[in-house]
Amino acid sequence: GAVVSQHPSWVICKSGTSVKIECRSLDFQATTMFWYRQFPKQSLMLMATSNEGSKATYEQGVEKDKFLINHASLTLSTLTVTSAHPEDSSFYICSARGGAATRPQHFGDGTRLSIL
Amino acid sequence: EDKVVQSPLSLVVHEGDTVTLNCSYEVTNFRSLLWYKQEKKAPTFLFMLTSSGIEKKSGRLSSILDKKELFSILNITATQTGDSAVYLCAVLLMYSGGGADGLTFGKGTHLIIQP
Repeated sequence: GAVVSQHPSWVICKSGTSVKIECRSLDFQATTMFWYRQFPKQSLMLMATSNEGSKATYEQGVEKDKFLINHASLTLSTLTVTSAHPEDSSFYICSARGGAATRPQHFGDGTRLSIL
Repeated sequence: EDKVVQSPLSLVVHEGDTVTLNCSYEVTNFRSLLWYKQEKKAPTFLFMLTSSGIEKKSGRLSSILDKKELFSILNITATQTGDSAVYLCAVLLMYSGGGADGLTFGKGTHLIIQP
C-alpha cells in the first residue's frame, strides 16, 4: 500500500517552455501533498505544501509564480515550472500523506528536469 | 535555523557487518523523526519515531530516538548488498516556513555494502 506515482520521470526541454509534473496517490487519498527539490549530493529541500482544494503554502525563497501547484483532487497534485530556465534543472520529487501529520509521507519516484 | 545532521556521510562495510547511522537535530517545534531509504529513485519509508526510548524494529533494521539529547540512530544488522543505499533522516516540525508541515532532511548517509 501507499503507492505514489510521479510522471514524467525525465524531461528535457528548451529554455522558456513550461513543464508540468504530476503526482498521484494510487491507493490512498492524499489530503496533503508536498513538493521537494534535490540538487546533486544535497538533501531534499521542501518547496511547497498543498492541501486538497486550497492554495499551496510555499517555503521561503520559492517563487509561487514560477512553480505553480494545483491540488484539485485527493489523488492528484501537479507542479508546473513556468518559463523554465537552465537553473531550474533539478530533481523534483513529490510526496503524499493521507490524514494527519502523525502519518508518514510516501514519495514518488521523482522527475529529472533538464532545461537546455 | 532548523538543522538535521547525519553522520557519517558515507560508509563502506562488508556483508554481514552491523552498521549504526546517526542523525542529530536542532529544530524548533519538533514533532517526529523519520528514516527513509533512497536507492535509485523514491525514498521508501522505514520508521517514524515520536517518543523517546522506544525502539522500532523491522527485520534487521531498528531505530530509536533520544529527545533529550536530540538524536536518533538507525541500526542495520547482518548487512546485505541490497542494503546499499542512501539513508535519509528527516524531522517533521509542527510548523515549517509558511505554516505547512513538510519534512526537513539531512544530507543522508551513503552506505555501501561490499560482498
